[in-house]
Amino acid sequence: AQKITQTQPGMFVQEKEAVTLDCTYDTSDQSYGLFWYKQPSSGEMIFLIYQGSYDEQNATEGRYSLNFQKARKSANLVISASQLGDSAMYFCAMREGGGNTPLVFGKGTRLSVIA
Amino acid sequence: EAGVAQSPRYKIIEKRQSVAFWCNPISGHATLYWYQQILGQGPKLLIQFQNNGVVDDSQLPKDRFSAERLKGVDSTLKIQPAKLEDSAVYLCASSPRLDEQFFGPGTRLTVL
Repeated sequence: AQKITQTQPGMFVQEKEAVTLDCTYDTSDQSYGLFWYKQPSSGEMIFLIYQGSYDEQNATEGRYSLNFQKARKSANLVISASQLGDSAMYFCAMREGGGNTPLVFGKGTRLSVIA
Repeated sequence: EAGVAQSPRYKIIEKRQSVAFWCNPISGHATLYWYQQILGQGPKLLIQFQNNGVVDDSQLPKDRFSAERLKGVDSTLKIQPAKLEDSAVYLCASSPRLDEQFFGPGTRLTVL
């Protein structure tokens, strides 16, 4: 079974609007972390935001916020006030358990911001 | 603070040839990862090092792929011999703690 599911292969959003990118995950661990990365066409993976499984508050980093719904096992990324530079691939990833375990990535969502 | 460095950025080889990639992690980061990202997919872990020891290489095709991290700093990933399906971006990442991995720019490999 897929550990990370991103059901939206592609999304379009108007500049200055907000957009939500979906991510659901599957784990039986109580301790885990959820990550979002941005990958522009240049190829580098840029860390955006992190949510730990025990964090009670939703994580926020500037225009990025993570809508964490533990019971539904979802960790959606919300980007507010979209900018043209936000056009990129977005990957949701999970780390299970404690320690420096590797990330498991979803297949990604391509976001296109339209002027 | 300097980021994760990788070289080369691009490599084109013919099948059955050998190729090597190099990664220099962020100074002080004990954990180093190599990921393979095939076009249209998310990155998949190949191997994880903690200092100079291997933590996880369960998804490394050991008949053709090898990796080492001498002295617990920089690392090399080798493919010998390459197959067409090895065409991908090879990403190196390093981590100081649990909540973040820093990625390098990647090496884009094309096998003809």
